[in-house]
Amino acid sequence: GAVVSQHPSWVICKSGTSVKIECRSLDFQATTMFWYRQFPKQSLMLMATSNEGSKATYEQGVEKDKFLINHASLTLSTLTVTSAHPEDSSFYICSAGLGGAHQPQHFGDGTRLSIL
Amino acid sequence: AQSVAQPEDQVNVAEGNPLTVKCTYSVSGNPYLFWYVQYPNRGLQFLLKYITGDNLVKGSYGFEAEFNKSQTSFHLKKPSALVSDSALYFCAVRDRTDSWGKLQFGAGTQVVVTP
Repeated sequence: GAVVSQHPSWVICKSGTSVKIECRSLDFQATTMFWYRQFPKQSLMLMATSNEGSKATYEQGVEKDKFLINHASLTLSTLTVTSAHPEDSSFYICSAGLGGAHQPQHFGDGTRLSIL
Repeated sequence: AQSVAQPEDQVNVAEGNPLTVKCTYSVSGNPYLFWYVQYPNRGLQFLLKYITGDNLVKGSYGFEAEFNKSQTSFHLKKPSALVSDSALYFCAVRDRTDSWGKLQFGAGTQVVVTP
């Protein structure tokens, strides 16, 4: 149980394009989901906390107009990288949990974004 | 403020030998502690967690971790490493009072198991 699906796995697109990444909790409802960015062989950097039915909470230094988050249902959160540029190339990962501080987060398989 | 330290960037071990990945933390109160593993181009997989009780926690794939409150450590161990255990390992903590709170991750430790 507690499976998180992330789509797409890989995206290659031209500079200036907007890219949408989906994160779905397949067998549970997730009021809160998290979006991370990871550089090669580094730790996860939390970008934002996605809350169902309300605005996302962004971490300091993350441009909310650049990284649009929508959490319209209890099983789906989306991250849209708007007008992407090569510096936005990275590995993006989402996670969701069953709720409760003792519960582990369950992670999607990540999305490799390459902007040419 | 919470912080998690994984003092080793990389751990090298021969297959069949014991594996230890170190983690220490600095938090207020008694946090929940987690270990995750990441294979290349994949998300993180949950291995185990410490909530309360027995200081030795057993998890997936033969891994276990020992919680030491006095040393504020939560080291990950495996008695006999496999080549397939080669991956990136993350220690994480969460405040007990924060139901929807963020996980604080360590920097990660690359484990290389040689045949």
